[in-house]
Amino acid sequence: DIQMTQSPSSLSASVGDRVSITCRASQGISIYLAWYQQKPGKVPNLLIYAASTLQSGVPSRFSGSGSGTDFTLTISSLQPEDVATYYCQKYDSAPRTFGQGTKLEIK
Amino acid sequence: EVQLVESGGGLVQPGGSLRLSCAASGFTLSSYLMHWVRQAPGKGLEYVSAISGNGGSTYYANSVKGRFTISRDNSKNTLYLQMGSLRGEDTAVYYCARGPPLDYWGQGTLVTVSS
Repeated sequence: DIQMTQSPSSLSASVGDRVSITCRASQGISIYLAWYQQKPGKVPNLLIYAASTLQSGVPSRFSGSGSGTDFTLTISSLQPEDVATYYCQKYDSAPRTFGQGTKLEIK
Repeated sequence: EVQLVESGGGLVQPGGSLRLSCAASGFTLSSYLMHWVRQAPGKGLEYVSAISGNGGSTYYANSVKGRFTISRDNSKNTLYLQMGSLRGEDTAVYYCARGPPLDYWGQGTLVTVSS
């Protein structure tokens, strides 16, 4: 099975900072990569799919890039409401594995 | 409006069984692959199971294979997860979701396996 590895596992940044989270697949998955945001106590929410397509309603400060094995989620200007855990997921085929998550906090 | 509403969670003893339901509305269930994802307390998301639109194809994570059964009744707009031989490590919030990618999620139902 393809493994999904996120880095870092946790991250602390200041409001207004540019933040990047990476996700690496153990084998190529083309662009079948999604990013989810899960705020504390809430249900996961789809942010980006097809590696770089922003889901409707998601703020434009979020962006995604990459293909094959290496992917990045970027927040261009961190806001307080972005405090959450972020997960990547491969969805080219089963198993549609999640990364282990990246917990993002405000410094 | 698309809605997914899980039910059926609760406290069950090790070795016991439980059936989760996910009632779908606002879309044609048969057109979508459906999934179960779980999250143990304080842990990350774990992909558990999936079923094709017509129910003919299923997937199970190794951690639940042989113990859980996913099914669907498109006429009732409902997805199911029959869980058996439950273990402490099955304790989690169980979410149903539509996709992929998983664009709609239910609110989750908590399953606690404990004596």
